[in-house]
Amino acid sequence: QSVLTQPPSVSAAPGQKVTISCSGSSSNIGNNYVSWYQQLPGTAPKLLIHDTNKRPSGVLDRFSGSKSGTSATLGITGLQTGDEADYYCGTWDSSLSAVVFGGGTKLTVL
Amino acid sequence: QVQLVESGGGLVKPGGSLRLSCAASGFTFSDYYMSWIRQAPGKGLEWVSYISSSSSYTNYADSVKGRFTISRDNAKNSLYLQMNSLRVEDTAVYYCTREPDGSGTSMDVWGQGTTVTVSS
Repeated sequence: QSVLTQPPSVSAAPGQKVTISCSGSSSNIGNNYVSWYQQLPGTAPKLLIHDTNKRPSGVLDRFSGSKSGTSATLGITGLQTGDEADYYCGTWDSSLSAVVFGGGTKLTVL
Repeated sequence: QVQLVESGGGLVKPGGSLRLSCAASGFTFSDYYMSWIRQAPGKGLEWVSYISSSSSYTNYADSVKGRFTISRDNAKNSLYLQMNSLRVEDTAVYYCTREPDGSGTSMDVWGQGTTVTVSS
């Protein structure tokens, strides 16, 4: 059971927009920055969003992050088949004194 | 370029030990907190441990506390994870990661991973 809760899967058509939610609590998302990671099949995770809504150099602006209270959201616009991957949210949990992740969301581009 | 390369994974029997290594290059290793993250087959990401830039602070997930030890050698640009009393549930790909600010909220560089299999 992950500390952060994500939907197991989401899907959308090419060119459309999709959002992936990440629900936590005041000890993690509510009071800390959130990061998002993309894991393409058979590869290591890659940082997509840090500090809740900042993109590392090289990450396209089709990817965006936001937060409201104890929930965070990853948005992906202009979906491409190459975006099919597992997406994870992560942050620090001040009560657990541990890095915590969501269970991951598998994105399918139909 | 910035790179992390893990090594040391393999097959080990329950109760056995293994030492993972991570070689860093392309950045000033001694400036950064580092972490180990693992991923069991078909499962999600699980944080294992972190160490501060000067080795002053370490922290562990409850699942490995007392069995795993993280360490680093800044002169050799290397991170280590000594794993003792290994259990079947420790089977996973282990990733070496860099923390850009030591807050625990993001890992900006990941290695390719090394596979640890614990089985009799």
